[in-house]
Amino acid sequence: NAGVTQNPKFQVLKTGQSMTLQCAQDMNHNSMYWYRQDPGMGLRLIYYSASEGTTDKGEVPNGYNVSRLNKREFSLRLESAAPSQTSVYFCASSEFRAGGGKGEAFFGQGTRLTVV
Amino acid sequence: DQQVKQNSPSLSVQEGRISILNCDYTNSMFDYFLWYKKYPAEGPTFLISISSIKDKNEDGRFTVFLNKSAKHLSLHIVPSQPGDSAVYFCAAIPTGGGNKLTFGTGTQLKVEL
Repeated sequence: NAGVTQNPKFQVLKTGQSMTLQCAQDMNHNSMYWYRQDPGMGLRLIYYSASEGTTDKGEVPNGYNVSRLNKREFSLRLESAAPSQTSVYFCASSEFRAGGGKGEAFFGQGTRLTVV
Repeated sequence: DQQVKQNSPSLSVQEGRISILNCDYTNSMFDYFLWYKKYPAEGPTFLISISSIKDKNEDGRFTVFLNKSAKHLSLHIVPSQPGDSAVYFCAAIPTGGGNKLTFGTGTQLKVEL
């Protein structure tokens, strides 16, 4: 099992360019997430998909769009990149435990994005 | 407004001693708490969790304590090992919040020989 796979691992964009960050999971999880990590800020939720066909805004959604392509894949799109979007982006997936208990999220290895 | 706070950005401990990492939260709707460990250039990995109906959960060298009245939790690592050197994030999930995590800012733990 690969777990959560993100592509690309590194990317440099010019201001105004667009790009899509890809994420796929092979754990048959219903829920998927995109977080960004900035120095001194921890990880902040950008967008969330509780299940295939649904998406919700997180704490910092401005400047981003998402697509839950199917149960496995959840992509994050930057339509017009800005220097403030320079960050490390993490995709994650999770499932509720048997009996309805909350479950931990599993994270990908991250995408390091620099916008110049 | 930081709902999950880790006030110590860094902690240094000698190998074999106890490491205690602290976390405070402000949202009384949080009912599930997790600790994640993160090495450089890797994604966070789950370490241990605790439900608000408990005050302690133990897994090997790792124990998490929850004090609901104080809105405080702590992670104890005994004994600390050099491989434990990493950034530790506290995270919380609110009632009805699905599995959406709210993270603290992290504590860099360094275990010295």
